[in-house]
Amino acid sequence: EAQVTQNPRYLITVTGKKLTVTCSQNMNHEYMSWYRQDPGLGLRQIYYSMNVEVTDKGDVPEGYKVSRKEKRNFPLILESPSPNQTSLYFCASSLSQGDTQYFGPGTRLTVL
Amino acid sequence: GENVEQHPSTLSVQEGDSAVIKCTYSDSASNYFPWYKQELGKRPQLIIDIRSNVGEKKDQRIAVTLNKTAKHFSLHITETQPEDSAVYFCAPISSGSARQLTFGSGTQLTVLP
Repeated sequence: EAQVTQNPRYLITVTGKKLTVTCSQNMNHEYMSWYRQDPGLGLRQIYYSMNVEVTDKGDVPEGYKVSRKEKRNFPLILESPSPNQTSLYFCASSLSQGDTQYFGPGTRLTVL
Repeated sequence: GENVEQHPSTLSVQEGDSAVIKCTYSDSASNYFPWYKQELGKRPQLIIDIRSNVGEKKDQRIAVTLNKTAKHFSLHITETQPEDSAVYFCAPISSGSARQLTFGSGTQLTVLP
């Protein structure tokens, strides 16, 4: 089954404790990205990747890191999480930049 | 990056009526124009899209129209049903050189029975 998976789905952590949210797709998509969704602010792109080893900043990259060592995986890293990073996070992939985005199920992160 | 404006932010219609949501964008290089639907507690999913070589596309009760000159495209839902209640997002993008993908701020559609 073609899909985008994210783990964990829910995470409660404390300020400053490094964490990684994994994202994987099995559709051989070139383009992958991370979004955060906050009430009243819609979906905002954090980082995107056009292909392996090619990543770039989106609208709100501060406090986040990403890597794209393999085509299927695009982890999101929070080196030192802060409470303002409490949000709902979505990973998405598409065949290329100008194609349909397929979203993962979302990760609800709470930073205390 | 792309400046995307979506209107209205909320829309309430009676069941059976039509709903129209408009998305205005700034990047003239945009050539892919999708609409996503997000039901409560779920992930966004594509409902319809259009590319810049077409002016209108229809899929049963849903249609999208594009005006590239004026840089806007619209989502049309006819004969609305309660299951159409959701948040709708536009996300125009170019398939050319790398650029950020900006979503519209979303429209909360409520279909009243």
